[in-house]
Amino acid sequence: DTEVTQTPKHLVMGMTNKKSLKCEQHMGHRAMYWYKQKAKKPPELMFVYSYEKLSINESVPSRFSPECPNSSLLNLHLHALQPEDSALYLCASSRPGRGTYNEQFFGPGTRLTVL
Amino acid sequence: DAKTTQPTSMDCAEGRAANLPCNHSTISGNEYVYWYRQIHSQGPQYIIHGLKNNETNEMASLIITEDRKSSTLILPHATLRDTAVYYCIVRGTGTASKLTFGTGTRLQVTL
Repeated sequence: DTEVTQTPKHLVMGMTNKKSLKCEQHMGHRAMYWYKQKAKKPPELMFVYSYEKLSINESVPSRFSPECPNSSLLNLHLHALQPEDSALYLCASSRPGRGTYNEQFFGPGTRLTVL
Repeated sequence: DAKTTQPTSMDCAEGRAANLPCNHSTISGNEYVYWYRQIHSQGPQYIIHGLKNNETNEMASLIITEDRKSSTLILPHATLRDTAVYYCIVRGTGTASKLTFGTGTRLQVTL
């Protein structure tokens, strides 16, 4: 299995809602990532988890709350979002560490619309 | 990580080789050149990476100049399915696998 899956594919939420994005991989990767991609822009890193511990937070607002309950799952909890948070949210995984073979495998993304 | 410069867009006829350039003049000795592509509405896909030697895999070839200040990704026989945004990324091994995407090159393959 060389796939990263993300659910849901599309999500529409109001500014007062609480929702969660889910990401799953079964490649034995121990590093997982969340990226945000606005329309016609490159992906921007949000969070990195290494061995289920948060290792990088790119100064992301607290209305985004990541969680890594086990080595195969990565969640992104959303609360009190703003319309400008509408974007494609991408999850990726890789082998962690300093090796050169730790290319990242990306999921298809969740397209989020905040009304 | 070093910054990269790529042309905004390129066109290529189907069946011809697509040569995508990338400048990374501030690259340091322990930084690798990675290429990813993103087909519309999909997640980015890893293509190839290299340090100083030329590399080839089933998808593409990567040519890195001797001074390592630039590189070229070659798709030997482009097809319509290769239409995508191609990102050249320079990354060190000690940066916790952080990928910093630039603006990329939008490659349009035409009949």
